[in-house]
Amino acid sequence: EAGVAQSPRYKIIEKRQSVAFWCNPISGHATLYWYQQILGQGPKLLIQFQNNGVVDDSQLPKDRFSAERLKGVDSTLKIQPAKLEDSAVYLCASSPRPYGQPQHFGDGTRLSIL
Amino acid sequence: SQQGEEDPQALSIQEGENATMNCSYKTSINNLQWYRQNSGRGLVHLILIRSNEREKHSGRLRVTLDTSKKSSSLLITASRAADTASYFCATADSNYQLIWGAGTKLIIKP
Repeated sequence: EAGVAQSPRYKIIEKRQSVAFWCNPISGHATLYWYQQILGQGPKLLIQFQNNGVVDDSQLPKDRFSAERLKGVDSTLKIQPAKLEDSAVYLCASSPRPYGQPQHFGDGTRLSIL
Repeated sequence: SQQGEEDPQALSIQEGENATMNCSYKTSINNLQWYRQNSGRGLVHLILIRSNEREKHSGRLRVTLDTSKKSSSLLITASRAADTASYFCATADSNYQLIWGAGTKLIIKP
């Protein structure tokens, strides 16, 4: 079974620029999650999709972050404009169903803001 | 918000010794999960224990859950260098949303 794919692995941008991350979940997984992980901390959920609908985006800074999951498969997360505090690893995860099931993670995108 | 709090924050032991890390949480849960994260990689699910279970085993891993104390422990027996990683607990609340702790960094010395 192929795992969760994310790209790019690393990204360096200047503050106020925009950036986008891509995620391809495990085939057949209906639930997709985007997390932000700051160094030394646990993951923080940004947004959760069930198929192509949003289940939870309560911690997504909607003035600068956006996410979509077209056709209920791939997903993109965008930041525009980026701030220094957005420096973090952005992790994508998927699970077959949403109900507290084990999540499968990609290796993440490490974002550095200069 | 973070519910799980792992203890200790960091642990360094000799290869072959057992490693124990703990997780405490605040609200009622449906299940509790442990994950491992190697440096620069994503998290890997290790074990899930439901609220009505008290103990689970998987290979060299043993997880206990005490809902009266709102705590869980992860025991890794006969540690190996490859066990060096950060370990996170995550609790599934009444809405089945996972809430994550800050992790325990485990270093196995050869």
